[in-house]
Amino acid sequence: NAGVTQTPKFRILKIGQSMTLQCAQDMNHNYMYWYRQDPGMGLKLIYYSVGAGITDKGEVPNGYNVSRSTTEDFPLRLELAAPSQTSVYFCASSPGTGFWTQYFGPGTRLLVL
Amino acid sequence: QQQVKQSPQSLIVQKGGISIINCAYENTAFDYFPWYQQFPGKGPALLIAIRPDVSEKKEGRFTISFNKSAKQFSLHIMDSQPGDSATYFCAAQSFGNEKLTFGTGTRLTIIP
Repeated sequence: NAGVTQTPKFRILKIGQSMTLQCAQDMNHNYMYWYRQDPGMGLKLIYYSVGAGITDKGEVPNGYNVSRSTTEDFPLRLELAAPSQTSVYFCASSPGTGFWTQYFGPGTRLLVL
Repeated sequence: QQQVKQSPQSLIVQKGGISIINCAYENTAFDYFPWYQQFPGKGPALLIAIRPDVSEKKEGRFTISFNKSAKQFSLHIMDSQPGDSATYFCAAQSFGNEKLTFGTGTRLTIIP
């Protein structure tokens, strides 16, 4: 099992550009999450999904969009990138609700200039 | 209130010493408290977790102490080793809620 994979590892964007951060998991987990991590701020939830076709906003959803057409994939779309979106983005998955471990991917480092 | 407050922000401990990281919460509905460990360039990974029906949980050199009345929990790393140098996040969750609420993280450095 590859677990949770993310691409790309690193990307530089110009202000106003758009991009999609890819996330895939091969553990057949229903729940998937997108977080951003900023220094000293911990992990902030952007969006999450409880299954294919179902997504919901987290704590900091503005400027982002998601879709979940399959159990395996949960891409995060950035429209009109802004410097405030410079961050490290982590995707995670979990088998279900209740007290299940979240498994994190290796992260995507994004720099918006 | 969903916040989980974590301290200190950074911690330097000598090899062989005890590392202690503290967290506090407000939401009494929280009933699951995991700790995640993150090495540089990697994603966080579950280290140890506790339910509030026990006051302490130990796994090897790692111990969670839980004080329900004070709404506080802490991670103790005994005999700290350089390989323990990482960022540690506490988190909290209420049953049936799909989301974890994370603390702000503690960067731990173990020096020889």
